[in-house]
Amino acid sequence: DAGVIQSPRHEVTEMGQEVTLRCKPISGHNSLFWYRQTMMRGLELLIYFNNNVPIDDSGMPEDRFSAKMPNASFSTLKIQPSEPRDSAVYFCASSDSGQLYQPQHFGDGTRLSIL
Amino acid sequence: AQKITQTQPGMFVQEKEAVTLDCTYDTSDPSYGLFWYKQPSSGEMIFLIYQGSYDQQNATEGRYSLNFQKARKSANLVISASQLGDSAMYFCAMRDYSGGYQKVTFGTGTKLQVIP
Repeated sequence: DAGVIQSPRHEVTEMGQEVTLRCKPISGHNSLFWYRQTMMRGLELLIYFNNNVPIDDSGMPEDRFSAKMPNASFSTLKIQPSEPRDSAVYFCASSDSGQLYQPQHFGDGTRLSIL
Repeated sequence: AQKITQTQPGMFVQEKEAVTLDCTYDTSDPSYGLFWYKQPSSGEMIFLIYQGSYDQQNATEGRYSLNFQKARKSANLVISASQLGDSAMYFCAMRDYSGGYQKVTFGTGTKLQVIP
């Protein structure tokens, strides 16, 4: 079975540009999570969706960040405008919803560099 | 207050020896799940093992076992017979309900280096 698929794997862009990260969760999983990982702050949960509905976005750092999940098989995380401090690895993960004991399965991440 | 605490930023272990990575957690929710993930230098996050709060026995997965001490709120990962490929960052995580929402919290990680 295919795992969580993220694209692009790497993104380098100049500050001020719009950045869109994409994620396809594992088929049948109805919870989806976006994380950001940096050396300074570790792994931070940005937002999670349950059945395509955003449940908790308290981790989204600023209004420049937005996330959507238009259907069960696709989600985007958008940064507009981007800033150098947004440079990080962004992970998407999926799992069975409502199951505290189910692990999250992570994509390979998008390494984002804002110049 | 931190919900997941990993007090060992880095550890060394001799190849073929066993090693324990510490994790303590804090939650008032009686239902929760505890997880360990491995992140090699290549960057991907690999799920290793989980323990449910109501599980009576410690979880095991191959060379990985979870030493679950509920009263102490600890969930230490034990890796037996360490291999060079075990060198990586290891993260402890908890999934519980907080404020009506399901929350996932990760610790800061422990960097394990296996010495030949």
